[in-house]
Amino acid sequence: DQQVKQNSPSLSVQEGRISILNCDYTNSMFDYFLWYKKYPAEGPTFLISISSIKDKNEDGRFTVFLNKSAKHLSLHIVPSQPGDSAVYFCAARTGNTPLVFGKGTRLSVIA
Amino acid sequence: DARVTQTPRHKVTEMGQEVTMRCQPILGHNTVFWYRQTMMQGLELLAYFRNRAPLDDSGMPKDRFSAEMPDATLATLKIQPSEPRDSAVYFCASGPPGSRPDEQFFGPGTRLTVL
Repeated sequence: DQQVKQNSPSLSVQEGRISILNCDYTNSMFDYFLWYKKYPAEGPTFLISISSIKDKNEDGRFTVFLNKSAKHLSLHIVPSQPGDSAVYFCAARTGNTPLVFGKGTRLSVIA
Repeated sequence: DARVTQTPRHKVTEMGQEVTMRCQPILGHNTVFWYRQTMMQGLELLAYFRNRAPLDDSGMPKDRFSAEMPDATLATLKIQPSEPRDSAVYFCASGPPGSRPDEQFFGPGTRLTVL
């Protein structure tokens, strides 16, 4: 029973365009959401996060949107660059519990 | 610069053999996590420790997996006996005292193949 779902295993986007990665969750008690980025042969690294009291958080080219009523969050990358090609994991947690991760979405940015 | 290290990076073994994976958390970090990445399940939490004490190992198959922290600089994950379905990438992560969720740092992983 996946509490955090990334329903798109892969996504291809042209360089310079917007990449939108989606994540749905089932646990309404989640209060903190994160995106991690993973390159081949490396461990995941933290990218951006959002608290449940906000609906948007922006960091440079990366913006995370949270829609609590729909239990949905998305990561926008604008403009997309070839170096953004990686696997992106959505994660969530309640209080001090460990993070629950989705299965990941592989993003390919085509030059 | 401070990093989580994991050894070995790759391991190929035969079914039934014992496998030991090691993790050195970042110095000063007191929380250690073990995750397994597979295509089907994504990143699954296997176990985690705080101040060397196991807090949750409900994600581990108890009959064959065991996780320990012999000291603050070493965490181990053992599989005995190993099975082909254990083939995956195993990640260790650590976090500092009182860490926020974005302060969880991952190692490079151990890719395990069980034939």
